[in-house]
Amino acid sequence: AQSVAQPEDQVNVAEGNPLTVKCTYSVSGNPYLFWYVQYPNRGLQFLLKYITGDNLVKGSYGFEAEFNKSQTSFHLKKPSALVSDSALYFCAVSLPGGYQKVTFGTGTKLQVIP
Amino acid sequence: EADIYQTPRYLVIGTGKKITLECSQTMGHDKMYWYQQDPGMELHLIHYSYGVNSTEKGDLSSESTVSRIRTEHFPLTLESARPSHTSQYLCASSSPSTVPGTDTQYFGPGTRLTVL
Repeated sequence: AQSVAQPEDQVNVAEGNPLTVKCTYSVSGNPYLFWYVQYPNRGLQFLLKYITGDNLVKGSYGFEAEFNKSQTSFHLKKPSALVSDSALYFCAVSLPGGYQKVTFGTGTKLQVIP
Repeated sequence: EADIYQTPRYLVIGTGKKITLECSQTMGHDKMYWYQQDPGMELHLIHYSYGVNSTEKGDLSSESTVSRIRTEHFPLTLESARPSHTSQYLCASSSPSTVPGTDTQYFGPGTRLTVL
């Protein structure tokens, strides 16, 4: 079984400050990890994914995420938050091979305060 | 912005009605998915398709059905809507990546269904 946990329902950060949205995973095997963002009344948009190799993955809109195998984490980060980053962020995990069963986390609402 | 469309965007309907939620994509993707999402909550996969004439049930049991007669079209049907079906329904598609299991999914804007 595979699962992903986003321990914070909401994260508040001041504009210009660094932001972190946390994600931990549980799988048997080597995971593929994803971050998606959902703006109000919109579908999800892909931000970035980790497949293998460099633990630091860079994605869209200045976001990056660090894969940490020992801590089974894949936290999303951005050096300087923008008000427009306010949205719902989903972490997701899948396993290699066959049909891609993707399991999404419960989502974290990011609120960037001007 | 991905080329995947859902109609209607909002639907309010009475109990017992038959409804079809439309999903179309112009990217030629073989894989398509339907997710159910309650407000501000996680997504639950209810149906998916590998390609034409392929449909599978997802993790969350659903009374809905789907069909895949054309690559670009993946409609979801509820024969008899009930208040428990009130939710947001998201359609997505993906094309196989060079590394199996790493597909990027492209999502439509969703249909918010309210059953009275």
